[in-house]
Amino acid sequence: SQQGEEDPQALSIQEGENATMNCSYKTSINNLQWYRQNSGRGLVHLILIRSNEREKHSGRLRVTLDTSKKSSSLLITASRAADTASYFCATDTGRRALTFGSGTRLQVQP
Amino acid sequence: EAGVAQSPRYKIIEKRQSVAFWCNPISGHATLYWYQQILGQGPKLLIQFQNNGVVDDSQLPKDRFSAERLKGVDSTLKIQPAKLEDSAVYLCASSTHRGRAYEQYFGPGTRLTVT
Repeated sequence: SQQGEEDPQALSIQEGENATMNCSYKTSINNLQWYRQNSGRGLVHLILIRSNEREKHSGRLRVTLDTSKKSSSLLITASRAADTASYFCATDTGRRALTFGSGTRLQVQP
Repeated sequence: EAGVAQSPRYKIIEKRQSVAFWCNPISGHATLYWYQQILGQGPKLLIQFQNNGVVDDSQLPKDRFSAERLKGVDSTLKIQPAKLEDSAVYLCASSTHRGRAYEQYFGPGTRLTVT
């Protein structure tokens, strides 16, 4: 089974709005990463947050991590049509390579 | 810096045929991964190499899938014989694997259709 599960599975918003997607996982982690995948393309790394961090920012991205609840959220502020993609969380437990969730499909309407 | 290269980009085969995919990681990246991504799902690790040694192949269907990484650089993934359920995108990724935290760099993937 997948270590990480994203919620919602799909999200449709208007340009300029904020998009929030959540990720829940099951076991202890070293770090959690978010990736973006445009249709028909490979995944692109967005941001990494370590288990001892609670919040991290990168440009229009804000990631939070709550290890007590085993959950993370990715906030994209002031969304653009170019943000349309699938977003995956991936957990690093230190025992094997990253384990990916099933993704949130974000559609930003112009 | 050149990214991860994969070929072919698309492949259509009939079931029971064989197929091979090629990956060239980013120069200097010691760790190489092959993932299988079925439509609508996240990538699932098939095999992880550290240089030319296998670190994790626990999810590789070894009765039909094989992979090698000769000389610790390029890698090939082979399926023989293919089944309908092997239809997926096969992603190659690489990383420097320095320390405990690392990001992976993905290639564009090979979309396999088994008919």
